[in-house]
Amino acid sequence: DAKTTQPNSMESNEEEPVHLPCNHSTISGTDYIHWYRQLPSQGPEYVIHGLTSNVNNRMASLAIAEDRKSSTLILHRATLRDAAVYYCILRDVITQGGSEKLVFGKGTKLTVNP
Amino acid sequence: NAGVTQTPKFQVLKTGQSMTLQCAQDMNHEYMSWYRQDPGMGLRLIHYSVGAGITDQGEVPNGYNVSRSTTEDFPLRLLSAAPSQTSVYFCATKTVNTEAFFGQGTRLTVV
Repeated sequence: DAKTTQPNSMESNEEEPVHLPCNHSTISGTDYIHWYRQLPSQGPEYVIHGLTSNVNNRMASLAIAEDRKSSTLILHRATLRDAAVYYCILRDVITQGGSEKLVFGKGTKLTVNP
Repeated sequence: NAGVTQTPKFQVLKTGQSMTLQCAQDMNHEYMSWYRQDPGMGLRLIHYSVGAGITDQGEVPNGYNVSRSTTEDFPLRLLSAAPSQTSVYFCATKTVNTEAFFGQGTRLTVV
């Protein structure tokens, strides 16, 4: 499985934008970039995913570098509820499509200050 | 619509005891998985299933058994619990081209 690298922790202030980086220099052409987050004492929840183009949904935006070796999850206005561990995961839909496995790293712990 | 339901939420076992962690889903998803999460770590895949009657091993399968007799249920069995199996266990489901949905977790302590 291709590996991702994320900072261990980041800090933000409430109502400010947050940019969470992820490096994936060994990404293959068929790897999708997925982001999940895990709120304290809860199971992970899906945030967003993309392949090549930038993506937006109600929770966040995903900016993907042109060479796809890095991506950034953008929370436009952080709230206290966004304090969580954010995981950047690569998923190969070709070879992993039958197993649907997700390989989690340690993620980035986001602290949001009031 | 309950989604993914894990029971129990908490459990304390003595070394050598056996138990089954239950996972049930009402979304008719074909894929189900079990992960464990140790303190400060990401989730690691234990076993997974791509449909009723089909299971396979993940990254850390030793000490755990699974079966998938129905689409809805995917129990995880610990035949002889060890302190190294103290962890938080998460069940997840998904179908093709959707995100994964996780349960709330079972916190297991083996003493």
